[in-house]
Amino acid sequence: QVQLQESGPGLVKPSQTLSLTCTVSGGSISSGDYYWSWIRQPPGKGLEWIGYIYYSGSTYYNPSLKSRVTISVDTSKNQFSLKLSSVTAADTAVYYCASSKYYYDSSGYYGPAWYFDLWGRGTLVTVSS
Amino acid sequence: QSALTQPASVSGSPGQSITISCTGTSSDVGSYNLVSWYQQHPGKAPKLMIYEVSKRPSGVSNRFSGSKSGNTASLTISGLQAEDEADYYCCSYAGSSTYVVFGGGTKLTVL
Repeated sequence: QVQLQESGPGLVKPSQTLSLTCTVSGGSISSGDYYWSWIRQPPGKGLEWIGYIYYSGSTYYNPSLKSRVTISVDTSKNQFSLKLSSVTAADTAVYYCASSKYYYDSSGYYGPAWYFDLWGRGTLVTVSS
Repeated sequence: QSALTQPASVSGSPGQSITISCTGTSSDVGSYNLVSWYQQHPGKAPKLMIYEVSKRPSGVSNRFSGSKSGNTASLTISGLQAEDEADYYCCSYAGSSTYVVFGGGTKLTVL
């Protein structure tokens, strides 16, 4: 059974870059069965989708964060990563990695299934000097 | 401000049924059958409860059901149990520019 685990610094200074890694166990990122995603949740607030990556490197980003976000994949380590630049206190949140099944249909559509079926436990990142 | 609108809170007694609404627009909920619902207990990660409007993942109780009419999706929980007390979030595909939008969440209290 596939499991996801986030890791990275819990404290980042304002204007610096937040970096997190999600390690996938129980399955291979390279299988192509899933798209891999980052989602965040500020303390006491709702969920915000950050972006998706496929094992091939294909990405989708939230347009409101796109200028500051990079999601990458390392198939040799079975990991994918998030970098968020120029952080402010507003970026303080629990960051989750999650997965969505790869989907294709007879109409020719292929891509993520646009729902998140597996989640990591989340990691709190605080932006503060 | 979230893209999808949910009531901040709903409540019900054990055994009753409740419905949580999720209102979007013709650019998201109204255009795609790609609405999902998540349950989140305090300090825990969200859990997928409903996908593609009304489908239940394996292992999710059939007390949970989903539907959609126009720009509004709904999650219904029947036979309320104490363990259902949690926050619930709706989510929708929103087209090839915005991609994914979430609701602001609804706190369900089992009285």
